[in-house]
Amino acid sequence: AQTVTQSQPEMSVQEAETVTLSCTYDTSENNYYLFWYKQPPSRQMILVIRQEAYKQQNATENRFSVNFQKAAKSFSLKISDSQLGDTAMYFCAFTSQGGSEKLVFGKGMKLTVNP
Amino acid sequence: NAGVMQNPRHLVRRRGQEARLRCSPMKGHSHVYWYRQLPEEGLKFMVYLQKENIIDESGMPKERFSAEFPKEGPSILRIQQVVRGDSAAYFCASSRDRGQNTEAFFGQGTRLTVV
Repeated sequence: AQTVTQSQPEMSVQEAETVTLSCTYDTSENNYYLFWYKQPPSRQMILVIRQEAYKQQNATENRFSVNFQKAAKSFSLKISDSQLGDTAMYFCAFTSQGGSEKLVFGKGMKLTVNP
Repeated sequence: NAGVMQNPRHLVRRRGQEARLRCSPMKGHSHVYWYRQLPEEGLKFMVYLQKENIIDESGMPKERFSAEFPKEGPSILRIQQVVRGDSAAYFCASSRDRGQNTEAFFGQGTRLTVV
């Protein structure tokens, strides 16, 4: 069975600083997809970034980037120049299906950005 | 272009009653996924439906839970004879296709409280 582990339940960071959220996963699949989702207080699940396992290059979306270490089964999210609006729960997710079916989520991590 | 619409946002039911949760996918999307989020937990996959078909219901409890996605109208997640343990946030997501490069968009969820 695939599992996703987020070992840090909570973090805080000062505005404009950089923060890294960690995630590890376990799978026997060779081809899969990894995601980071953001859930602000509104509860809306918002896709932040995705990574295909067959791509060696780390995904980047503006201030968000990942460090994907396939051998170590590690998928961390780096948020640069943190903003107050980044305050939210962050969930790491995995799927071995085609793209977005049957996502397996970690328990989440609460990030607070302080002014 | 409206996003995934879920209603109601909040639903209170007494033990033994039925709960019906509705999900209208984004325009042009024919794939719907239901997830459940228990307090302090990540989302857990329940069921994946395509128009008029259940594709994967491996995450659905064996009893009391059912889902449908008719040719016309929203997808419905139905919970019969609710119990306190059914209290959770239920999220629906939709996608245009399945497979690579497909993104699932989430609704804002329905928070079910069983009293």
